[in-house]
Amino acid sequence: QSALTQPRSVSGSPGQSVTISCTGTSSDVGGYNYVSWYQQHPGKAPKLMIYDVSKRPSGVPDRFSGSKSGNTASLTISGLQAEDEADYYCCSYAGSYTFLVVFGGGTKLTVL
Amino acid sequence: QVQLQESGPGLVKPSQTLSLTCTVSGGSISSGGYYWSWIRQHPGKGLEWIGYIYYSGSTYYNPSLKSRVTISVDTSKNQFSLKLSSVTAADTAVYYCARGESPDAFDIWGQGTMVTVSS
Repeated sequence: QSALTQPRSVSGSPGQSVTISCTGTSSDVGGYNYVSWYQQHPGKAPKLMIYDVSKRPSGVPDRFSGSKSGNTASLTISGLQAEDEADYYCCSYAGSYTFLVVFGGGTKLTVL
Repeated sequence: QVQLQESGPGLVKPSQTLSLTCTVSGGSISSGGYYWSWIRQHPGKGLEWIGYIYYSGSTYYNPSLKSRVTISVDTSKNQFSLKLSSVTAADTAVYYCARGESPDAFDIWGQGTMVTVSS
C-alpha cells in the first residue's frame, strides 16, 4: 500500500491560513471517514489534531479543521501561530479485510 | 490520565528479533474499544503503521511486515509487546506505541524509543 500523497512543504505568515492536502484513493481516504491528522515537533511524538475527517480532540484549538472531498482530505490551520511550525502527517484507514492503516509522507509547515 | 512508555534494547543485531514492550499506566489495557498499536519512524522519514491488537485480542498487521511481526498483550502486567523477527538495517527506526480510539485515531503516544540494527 503506497503512502498517501502530501506536499513536502507549505508556509504562511502569522495570522494567515494554510491548507495541507492529503491525496489517496477510493480504497483509503475516499472509502472511509477514518482520516486523521498528526502534528509532530522535532524530537517529539506525534500529536493527534484531527480524527474521523473533521473531529477535534479535546484541547486542540479550533484553528485546526479537517475536511474531505472524494479521495483528498485537507487540514486547514487558520490564524497561524509560530508554534504551529511542525511536520504534519495525514493517516487513513484502508481496509476492512486487512485493517491496513496508511500514513502520508508528511508536510513541513514553516511559519514565516 | 493514560500514559504509554516503550522499553527494550536500543541495539539489535541483524537477523535477530527486535522485542519491545509498551507499559500502560493510568488506565487498564483491558478496557474496551481500543487499538493498542505500534508505529515506527525511520530516521528523517515519515510514519509507518506496524500493526495493532484490538482489546478483544485480535491482531492486525501491515501487510509489508506481516510475516515478521507479532503483537501480543499481557493484561496482568498492563503491557503490550512487539516482536519483529529477522531484522535488517532497514528496521532501524524510532518505535512508538500508541493507543487508537478508532482505526485511524491514535490519541495517546509513548515518547518513542530508538532501535538501531547493527552488528
